[in-house]
Amino acid sequence: GAVVSQHPSRVICKSGTSVKIECRSLDFQATTMFWYRQFPKQSLMLMATSNEGSKATYEQGVEKDKFLINHASLTLSTLTVTSAHPEDSSFYICSAKSGGLTYEQYFGPGTRLTVT
Amino acid sequence: DQQVKQNSPSLSVQEGRISILNCDYTNSMFDYFLWYKKYPAEGPTFLISISSIKDKNEDGRFTVFLNKSAKHLSLHIVPSQPGDSAVYFCAASAWGTGANSKLTFGKGITLSVRP
Repeated sequence: GAVVSQHPSRVICKSGTSVKIECRSLDFQATTMFWYRQFPKQSLMLMATSNEGSKATYEQGVEKDKFLINHASLTLSTLTVTSAHPEDSSFYICSAKSGGLTYEQYFGPGTRLTVT
Repeated sequence: DQQVKQNSPSLSVQEGRISILNCDYTNSMFDYFLWYKKYPAEGPTFLISISSIKDKNEDGRFTVFLNKSAKHLSLHIVPSQPGDSAVYFCAASAWGTGANSKLTFGKGITLSVRP
């Protein structure tokens, strides 16, 4: 149980284009999903929290107009990197947690984005 | 301000011996702690957790100890196996919903288990 998938696993795009990354909870309903970014040899940096049916909550310093998050259903959240630039190249990871009395988050396998 | 600290960046142990990974935190509002294991280019995998009302939680080869007064927790792996070689993240959370349920991660410890 508690399986989270991400698609695509790897994407290469040209500077100035937009890229959408999908995060799905496969066997549970995720009331809350989180988007992280990881730089090489560094910890996970939380970018934003998305709740189904409401606006995402962004962490300080994260541009909400650049990283668009949509959580349209209890099993799907999307992160769109708009007008991508080489500095956006990174490993993006989502996680999901169900509602109720639970703290655990379950992570997707990650998406490697390379902007050329 | 780093609220969850994993001060040792790496640890190397012999196969079959005990691995002890340490974690310290500063926020007294944290009431739940988790350990995740991560391989390169993969998402973290949940290992074990502990509530602040407990001081020990055990699951197979993995045991987590919590010392609330010292704001310190540790993950013990016994016996260590080569497949345990990975980066281990300590994470903490305070009870809440939505964005208030976010996890705060340490920087991770790279564990190497030598055959």
